Amino acid sequence: DAGVIQSPRHEVTEMGQEVTLRCKPISGHNSLFWYRQTMMRGLELLIYFNNNVPIDDSGMPEDRFSAKMPNASFSTLKIQPSEPRDSAVYFCASCPGTGSYNEQFFGPGTRLTVL
Amino acid sequence: AQTVTQSQPEMSVQEAETVTLSCTYDTSESDYYLFWYKQPPSRQMILVIRQEAYKQQNATENRFSVNFQKAAKSFSLKISDSQLGDAAMYFCAYRSANDMRFGAGTRLTVKP
Repeated sequence: DAGVIQSPRHEVTEMGQEVTLRCKPISGHNSLFWYRQTMMRGLELLIYFNNNVPIDDSGMPEDRFSAKMPNASFSTLKIQPSEPRDSAVYFCASCPGTGSYNEQFFGPGTRLTVL
Repeated sequence: AQTVTQSQPEMSVQEAETVTLSCTYDTSESDYYLFWYKQPPSRQMILVIRQEAYKQQNATENRFSVNFQKAAKSFSLKISDSQLGDAAMYFCAYRSANDMRFGAGTRLTVKP
């Protein structure tokens, strides 16, 4: 398996623009997580899905952030409008099953820079 | 909310020696799991070891082992016979049915 795939790997955009990050989980995995990593705040869970349904989005920083999972093989994280403080590495991870014991398999991350 | 604390921002170890990374957590839940993840410079997060809270026996994976003290809410990672490839950021993580949190990380340097 190719593992979790994220695109783009790097994104540079200007403040105010819309940004869409994409994730393809490992085939057969039932859970998907979006994280944000910064030097200041470390690794933060933004939202996670079980069987394509959003379970907990309490980590989403504000209404400018939205996430969707239209099917089991694709998810997006959208920021509109983007701001410089959104600059971070965004990780997607998937899990086989929905239990807490399952290992999360992380993608390579998307480094977002908002100018 | 559950918190995960890694009190050592940086640690250093001589190659072939042993190092222990600390992690404490706060929770009122009884059913949860603890993980250590490694993040090398490539940025890829890799699972090192996991521990079920209901198990008293400490988990072991080759050179990696944990010291899980449930009453003290402590979950330290011991790396034996350290290798240059062990140099990375190490994150302690807590997961339950209601929560998923990571510590701030410990940067481990391995000296040849």
